[in-house]
Amino acid sequence: AQSVTQLDSQVPVFEEAPVELRCNYSSSVSVYLFWYVQYPNQGLQLLLKYLSGSTLVKGINGFEAEFNKSQTSFHLRKPSVHISDTAEYFCAVVSSGGSYIPTFGRGTSLIVHP
Amino acid sequence: GAGVSQTPSNKVTEKGKYVELRCDPISGHTALYWYRQSLGQGPEFLIYFQGTGAADDSGLPNDRFFAVRPEGSVSTLKIQRTERGDSAMYLCASSFSGSHPYNEQFFGPGTRLTVL
Repeated sequence: AQSVTQLDSQVPVFEEAPVELRCNYSSSVSVYLFWYVQYPNQGLQLLLKYLSGSTLVKGINGFEAEFNKSQTSFHLRKPSVHISDTAEYFCAVVSSGGSYIPTFGRGTSLIVHP
Repeated sequence: GAGVSQTPSNKVTEKGKYVELRCDPISGHTALYWYRQSLGQGPEFLIYFQGTGAADDSGLPNDRFFAVRPEGSVSTLKIQRTERGDSAMYLCASSFSGSHPYNEQFFGPGTRLTVL
């Protein structure tokens, strides 16, 4: 079985400040990891994914994440946020084998203040 | 179309009624997924189609939920005898071929279902 924990339900931050959204996962096999963003009244959009190779993954809109196997984490970071980054962010894990169905975390609401 | 579309965008129904939710995937995408997202939660998998057949329906919560994709493109999620607990956002996604993580899933805007 696979599971995802997003430790923060809400993260408030000021514009141009750095931000880290935390994600920890659990799986008995090797994993693929994803971060999605959901703006109000829109579907999910893929920010970035780790499939293999370099553990530091760069995505769209200046976001990056680092896969840490020993800590079973995949935290999302951005060095300087904008008002437009205000949204809900979801971490997801897919275990290798089977039908590759993702399990999503509960989400973290990033609120960027001017 | 350019992306995944879902209709209706909002559906309000009464407890015990039957509802159908429609998903139009990106043209040419053979894989289609349905998820349910309750308030304050992440999406939960319901069912995955590869072509016309359900490759994995392990997420359907009970036999009131059923989905079809008769021609391998448009899919309909059907809910019988709706209950208040069925109220949620229903998301559809499609990917070019198969469910392997190398194939990105593209999500539609969702249908918000409210059962009174």
